[in-house]
Formats: sequence, structure tokens, C-alpha cells
Amino acid sequence: EVHLVESGGGLVQPGGSLRLSCAASGFTFTAYSMDWARQAPGKGLEWVSYITSSSNRIYYADSVKGRFTISRDNAKNSLYLHMNNLRDEDTAVYFCGRGLQYGMDVWGQGITVTVSS
Amino acid sequence: QSALTQPASVSGSPGQSITISCTGTSSDVGGYNYVSWYQHHPGKAPKMLIYDVSTRPSGVSDRFSGSKSGNTASLTVSGLQAEDEADYYCSSYRITNTIVFGGGTKLTVL
Repeated sequence: EVHLVESGGGLVQPGGSLRLSCAASGFTFTAYSMDWARQAPGKGLEWVSYITSSSNRIYYADSVKGRFTISRDNAKNSLYLHMNNLRDEDTAVYFCGRGLQYGMDVWGQGITVTVSS
Repeated sequence: QSALTQPASVSGSPGQSITISCTGTSSDVGGYNYVSWYQHHPGKAPKMLIYDVSTRPSGVSDRFSGSKSGNTASLTVSGLQAEDEADYYCSSYRITNTIVFGGGTKLTVL
């Protein structure tokens, strides 16, 4: 069964850093691009970042460019999101997703990130 | 990055059909066939319903269908069922090498 499980969320102060992980199983991880998306409390879905299977193309939303870094370790079937200089508005549930034609055909359950002093 | 435009809410009775629109520009919806639709029950993982404008992933009911005309994509849900009550989102690839979601539409089954 295809499965994505996020981890690494929690409470962090403004200006702080956090690294999210996404463990993939049940499919050939190296064959797929991957994405991160998020949903702030009471808001809609927001795409965050995209990485190709070989990491040769990486894209970011303007709202996180320069602060977040997406990466993957194909040997560990894992996707990461390094988040620096966190702001209150980064508070959200973060989802990792398997890429399909610039969509996401499999989603994790999500992990909560709270930025607050 | 401005979101794609969706109606905030739609409603229908069981057995009826509803359509949700998703309006963008020639830089996203109108310029590429990379439009996807998702169903999201709060607290759960979103579920892809449609990709490439009108293609259903394996296992998705054929009650869900997608189309596009110009800068507007549409999702039609036919034979409404109680379990269809959820939030629905469209997304599209955008010329700036980004992906943009719509603001979301709450579907109420009366």
C-alpha cells in the first residue's frame, strides 16, 4: 500500500527553524517528483514546494522562497523540508504529496507546525 | 501568488449534479492542461479526484468529471451522495514554475 508519513512538526518561536520529514513506502520513490503543501488554520490549501525525482528541478512558492529548502534522499525513500526564519503565518498543517503531472496523487495525513512566542 | 478563483460554497440534493468552477488566467489554467481537483474532508488527507484537466486516477468514482474552457476549469459531481460533502480544491501549474491552488469550495449535500 502506498503510504506517506510526515514527522518533525511542533512548536517553534518566530525566527526559529524546523525540519520536516516525509517517509515514503509502497512505491518506487525514485520514479516520482514530490511536493509539500500546507493549510493554515481556517484557510485553504497552499502549495509550498516541488522537487523532481533526481532533484534537478526545484520550485518554491514566493511566500517561502529564500527561507525554506526542499530536499530528498532517494536511498532512504525520504523527503524533507528545511524551514528557517519561521513566521507566525507559517503556522499550518504541512502535507507531503507524491507528484503526478504537477498535482499530488497521494497525500500524507499532515503534521502541525505552530510558530508562536 | 494569487489563488485561482472558486465559489465559496455550492449545494445540492442527493442524486443531483453540481459543478464547481475554477477560474485562472492564460498563465495557468488557460495555458496548461495541468489542472487537478481534490476532495478534502477536514482532518483527513486530501484526495486527488482529477488530474490533467479530466483524467481520473485509478479508484476514483466516475461520478467525478473534469473539463476546461479557456481560463476556467470545472469539476462536476453527479449523483450527489451524503459522503460527497467536503471541501473541494482545484490546482494548476503556472508559467512561473509554481503550482497554485484555488481558494476552495465547500460542498453541502442538502
